[in-house]
Amino acid sequence: GEDVEQSLFLSVREGDSSVINCTYTDSSSTYLYWYKQEPGAGLQLLTYIFSNMDMKQDQRLTVLLNKKDKHLSLRIADTQTGDSAIYFCAEIPTGNQFYFGTGTSLTVIP
Amino acid sequence: EPEVTQTPSHQVTQMGQEVILRCVPISNHLYFYWYRQILGQKVEFLVSFYNNEISEKSEIFDDQFSVERPDGSNFTLKIRSTKLEDSAMYFCASLLRDRGFEQYFGPGTRLTVT
Repeated sequence: GEDVEQSLFLSVREGDSSVINCTYTDSSSTYLYWYKQEPGAGLQLLTYIFSNMDMKQDQRLTVLLNKKDKHLSLRIADTQTGDSAIYFCAEIPTGNQFYFGTGTSLTVIP
Repeated sequence: EPEVTQTPSHQVTQMGQEVILRCVPISNHLYFYWYRQILGQKVEFLVSFYNNEISEKSEIFDDQFSVERPDGSNFTLKIRSTKLEDSAMYFCASLLRDRGFEQYFGPGTRLTVT
């Protein structure tokens, strides 16, 4: 199966920027996604990027895509305590089946 | 804003019992999915469903699992004889169109098998 990898934990101070990284294996994915999961809740789509883009900015969120290295990152500017959650990157290489990363648990320290 | 709903939010069952997890996808969506997340692990694809039949399934989705869209609004996942290792959070998702970019997830059902 596809392999989508993320670091497990990230801790930042409130107001700093957070950068969550992801590597994926299948270069045929048309879209790459970031989902947020708060404790006890479902998966909330944060943002996505088309594979022919290098960067997408959406308010405090910036997604960077390096197709050559199959590396995706999510930058959260001015991180707030409400941003504390698990962040999953995901790809859809074929069909409509999502492959999720292991998830990065972001802790924001006040 | 339209949303995917799931019931129950938490289901406790004894090993060997059958469970049915229910989902109501967004009304005009055409593609439906079940995923599961074992505590502390990644979200795993189980099955996708389109035009009243399974379109893809993973190795996890063995003969103990089945899906159904009984009435045009509900989408169910049945586990015939639950095992301890079926304990997980089960997420339903729906998608409007093929290769569409936004898959909407429900809040999940936590299944605990004792």
